[in-house]
Amino acid sequence: EDKVVQSPLSLVVHEGDTVTLNCSYEVTNFRSLLWYKQEKKAPTFLFMLTSSGIEKKSGRLSSILDKKELFSILNITATQTGDSAIYLCAVHGSGNTGKLIFGQGTTLQVKP
Amino acid sequence: EADIYQTPRYLVIGTGKKITLECSQTMGHDKMYWYQQDPGMELHLIHYSYGVNSTEKGDLSSESTVSRIRTEHFPLTLESARPSHTSQYLCASSDHGSYGSYEQYFGPGTRLTVT
Repeated sequence: EDKVVQSPLSLVVHEGDTVTLNCSYEVTNFRSLLWYKQEKKAPTFLFMLTSSGIEKKSGRLSSILDKKELFSILNITATQTGDSAIYLCAVHGSGNTGKLIFGQGTTLQVKP
Repeated sequence: EADIYQTPRYLVIGTGKKITLECSQTMGHDKMYWYQQDPGMELHLIHYSYGVNSTEKGDLSSESTVSRIRTEHFPLTLESARPSHTSQYLCASSDHGSYGSYEQYFGPGTRLTVT
């Protein structure tokens, strides 16, 4: 059965800290891994990763994929209170359906 | 910015009522999805559609039904709402994409409470 597991489930840090969020997966016919940020309502897209070892970067956020070890990490440097959210990892697996399998999310709280 | 809309945003309704949650997208995407998400829990796929007149049940069993008569519209219906249906319902869409490019765009969600 396909599954995506995120860790930690929750994290509390102070502004300025650096955090690393983990996502491991077991998916048939892996196609891509996506990271989303969910604040109060709908998830918003952060990154899509398809190739191992190529870092994607957007401001203070970066992510990398390891297809051999079946995991990805999302790094946030110099955290701000606005980074407080649930970070979702999702994997697009077998078939051409576009269906995503979501992890349970990591809840990040950044304190001033 | 993604153009995907859901109405209503919030709904409180009594047990036994029939409700339809609306979802529309203006991006011409073929694929659309409905997810159910309880507070603090992961998203569970309950329905998806490859295109017009094509719908499939998702990984989580749901008593709801969907239809896809037009590309841009993917409504979800509960014939008889129950308190167990209380949840947040998120609609998403994606295009064909090349290999691996199935980014899903999410609507703002409908928070449903059945009393």
